[in-house]
Amino acid sequence: DADVTQTPRNRITKTGKRIMLECSQTKGHDRMYWYRQDPGLGLRLIYYSFDVKDINKGEISDGYSVSRQAQAKFSLSLESAIPNQTALYFCATSVRGIGHEQFFGPGTRLTVL
Amino acid sequence: GESVGLHLPTLSVQEGDNSIINCAYSNSASDYFIWYKQESGKGPQFIIDIRSNMDKRQGQRVTVLLNKTVKHLSLQIAATQPGDSAVYFCAEREGGNKLTFGTGTQLKVEL
Repeated sequence: DADVTQTPRNRITKTGKRIMLECSQTKGHDRMYWYRQDPGLGLRLIYYSFDVKDINKGEISDGYSVSRQAQAKFSLSLESAIPNQTALYFCATSVRGIGHEQFFGPGTRLTVL
Repeated sequence: GESVGLHLPTLSVQEGDNSIINCAYSNSASDYFIWYKQESGKGPQFIIDIRSNMDKRQGQRVTVLLNKTVKHLSLQIAATQPGDSAVYFCAEREGGNKLTFGTGTQLKVEL
């Protein structure tokens, strides 16, 4: 009964491949986020979206793109994966006006060989 | 740019003792400060927040203290339990809905 789901949970790919990570939520929240987590660096914001037609770059958007297909879905793409994109990726959601309380998915562990 | 950081990367406490996790921040414009807990293999989970115009807020077994004079944030966990073992992140919000996270502190509860 997870409210924020991510697929796949684990993925191994090769340098140069295109890969898409998907996030779905049943919380009815309008705001969605993609973060990247690396050991010792905490969570860093890649992209965020406040509504279906709204896309904003975060701290580390280079090499990534996103699509907000519907209020409940927010996907992250790596157009040409490289090894330093190996990391744990998290999707999160929040309610308008309470953006500091974010609800995270279980994460996707991505390895780029 | 401004940053949020933690003083201790690992904290070990005995079960039943109180835990104190510290965080230093540098952005005076942040309006909310938040603590998240991340258990192994899971995404971060919101614990408690404090607005910048407050200096203390209590939850269930947790208390967050904010000292704006020295730009310091702390999370106190009372009667620490094995289930409290996790990585704890502080975060700050500079208005809007974007958060800046610290690097995390690993809390280990020893039986």
